[in-house]
Amino acid sequence: DTEVTQTPKHLVMGMTNKKSLKCEQHMGHRAMYWYKQKAKKPPELMFVYSYEKLSINESVPSRFSPECPNSSLLNLHLHALQPEDSALYLCASSQDRTSGGVYETQYFGPGTRLLVL
Amino acid sequence: AQSVTQLDSQVPVFEEAPVELRCNYSSSVSVYLFWYVQYPNQGLQLLLKYLSGSTLVKGINGFEAEFNKSQTSFHLRKPSVHISDTAEYFCAVGGGGSNYKLTFGKGTLLTVNP
Repeated sequence: DTEVTQTPKHLVMGMTNKKSLKCEQHMGHRAMYWYKQKAKKPPELMFVYSYEKLSINESVPSRFSPECPNSSLLNLHLHALQPEDSALYLCASSQDRTSGGVYETQYFGPGTRLLVL
Repeated sequence: AQSVTQLDSQVPVFEEAPVELRCNYSSSVSVYLFWYVQYPNQGLQLLLKYLSGSTLVKGINGFEAEFNKSQTSFHLRKPSVHISDTAEYFCAVGGGGSNYKLTFGKGTLLTVNP
């Protein structure tokens, strides 16, 4: 089973709202990722969690706040977003071996399509 | 630093014709190569990957790709396409000193016409 699930599928929010995106995987993967994808563009990495700790933050604005409550769940908390934040938000997961030089395949979820009004 | 170039932004073909989607990469270290497909309004699905070993890689839905180190290429091929293959295809490279970062190409929109 290589399934990553994301909820909700669609989300419309105002610029003053607070909302959260959720991602779940049951593959035993210990690395989880958030990507942002604008229309007709490739995904852009936002955050990486490794063993429930934030490993990479690609200089993402603080209005995006990630959280990894356990090894299966990844949240993205949204607050005071701008219309330009409207995009498809993709979650991914991969194995995370401690030995170096091993690259693990990332498996993506279906995404949450976010519209900020 | 790594980079990926997908030479064609759009490739229109007729149903049952063969197709090749081109991907070139640059990296100063060993890399791992991937093709992902994105159907309209969906997430990314892994088509195939090259991590090591045989340079000819077979994936899902009848696709295959060949890793060519001397030409730094990883072109995707299918001998006979279907209407349902219409999608955006992304080539990506991983590794290069980071176990987490994937560098994507800009994507190729494959449109299969009847």
